[in-house]
Amino acid sequence: GENVEQHPSTLSVQEGDSAVIKCTYSDSASNYFPWYKQELGKGPQLIIDIRSNVGEKKDQRIAVTLNKTAKHFSLHITETQPEDSAVYFCAATLNSGYSTLTFGKGTMLLVSP
Amino acid sequence: KAGVTQTPRYLIKTRGQQVTLSCSPISGHRSVSWYQQTPGQGLQFLFEYFSETQRNKGNFPGRFSGRQFSNSRSEMNVSTLELGDSALYLCASSLEQGVRDEQFFGPGTRLTVL
Repeated sequence: GENVEQHPSTLSVQEGDSAVIKCTYSDSASNYFPWYKQELGKGPQLIIDIRSNVGEKKDQRIAVTLNKTAKHFSLHITETQPEDSAVYFCAATLNSGYSTLTFGKGTMLLVSP
Repeated sequence: KAGVTQTPRYLIKTRGQQVTLSCSPISGHRSVSWYQQTPGQGLQFLFEYFSETQRNKGNFPGRFSGRQFSNSRSEMNVSTLELGDSALYLCASSLEQGVRDEQFFGPGTRLTVL
């Protein structure tokens, strides 16, 4: 089955800096890669996703890049703000009706004012 | 539109007991998935239901079971609780089966087994 490794486990940045979280996956058949943000006391919330037919996707301060050859994908957050502080999870799956999401272990991002 | 709701939010049980958790998906969503979240193992898939049928099952013992009702509400049951079952149990709903559509997560039920 799929295995997703996520690094780093914790990341501390100053407000305004950029943050990068990296994930690798094992199953070359995976073609859908979502990123979730989980704030304290809440369930994960989808913030951006990418499918294997594109290499990069942006949404305001958030971007995700995908390298299918190397089987890794990354989340980039620019101009970080204190409200970006949360746990971020990457996931991978084959985007079919019978597939399930495999999550990375998560990255705790702390943005200091 | 109301989000995914889970009840109860917190639960304390003792070893050997059983527990039932409930999940109400977003109106119109037919797929419900359950996950166990722990600090050591992260988010692990338990099972998924679509139109009252279990379509996927994760690698958990038979003590973990679930069902889905005709209104798409779902319950999961854990029998003969063990200390290691202490976790945050998350429910997620989506319009269709699997991950074709975004999965919307509920706030979770925090289960503590003493």
